[in-house]
Amino acid sequence: AAGVIQSPRHLIKEKRETATLKCYPIPRHDTVYWYQQGPGQDPQFLISFYEKMQSDKGSIPDRFSAQQFSDYHSELNMSSLELGDSALYFCASSLGVGDTQYFGPGTRLTVL
Amino acid sequence: GESVGLHLPTLSVQEGDNSIINCAYSNSASDYFIWYKQESGKGPQFIIDIRSNMDKRQGQRVTVLLNKTVKHLSLQIAATQPGDSAVYFCAETPLNTPLVFGKGTRLSVIA
Repeated sequence: AAGVIQSPRHLIKEKRETATLKCYPIPRHDTVYWYQQGPGQDPQFLISFYEKMQSDKGSIPDRFSAQQFSDYHSELNMSSLELGDSALYFCASSLGVGDTQYFGPGTRLTVL
Repeated sequence: GESVGLHLPTLSVQEGDNSIINCAYSNSASDYFIWYKQESGKGPQFIIDIRSNMDKRQGQRVTVLLNKTVKHLSLQIAATQPGDSAVYFCAETPLNTPLVFGKGTRLSVIA
């Protein structure tokens, strides 16, 4: 079965640079979620979209923004990167808000 | 604030034994609970879920028990195998709001 696709899988950036992470949800899933997971930590919810509209907002820094496109894929834009942004970033998708979330393999972001 | 937590950070079991991973939650409004398995460097993998109108749900080798009276959730894995070694997270979501993950429990299976 098709799963959530994330790209890139690994990304290395310098401080103050920008990064864009992409997420392609499971076909027919209309809801996407972004999570940040630091080393040894549980995933922390950042933001979610349903039918191309922001549905919930969590602990997403103002330096980050995200959107969902007409084909339901989503992009997380990160600017003015800081060392503390180094983490695994996961995207999850579901068939509607509140339904089971299925996670992608993640993007490992390293900020030097 | 509201949070989901786990009683033990690590659990070691012999191969073939049954494993029980526990989770406590504090938000009485939570109506949907999920267990995820996360292997190193991978995304959380859905294992099993349960809604608040149930107290038990079984899958293949896994059972989730929900005790709403004491706000406790557990994951039972039967005949634990080396491939079950991973970090297990419980997560809750009250009324279609974002998932709140608990602190993970690392399960180590001893061959």
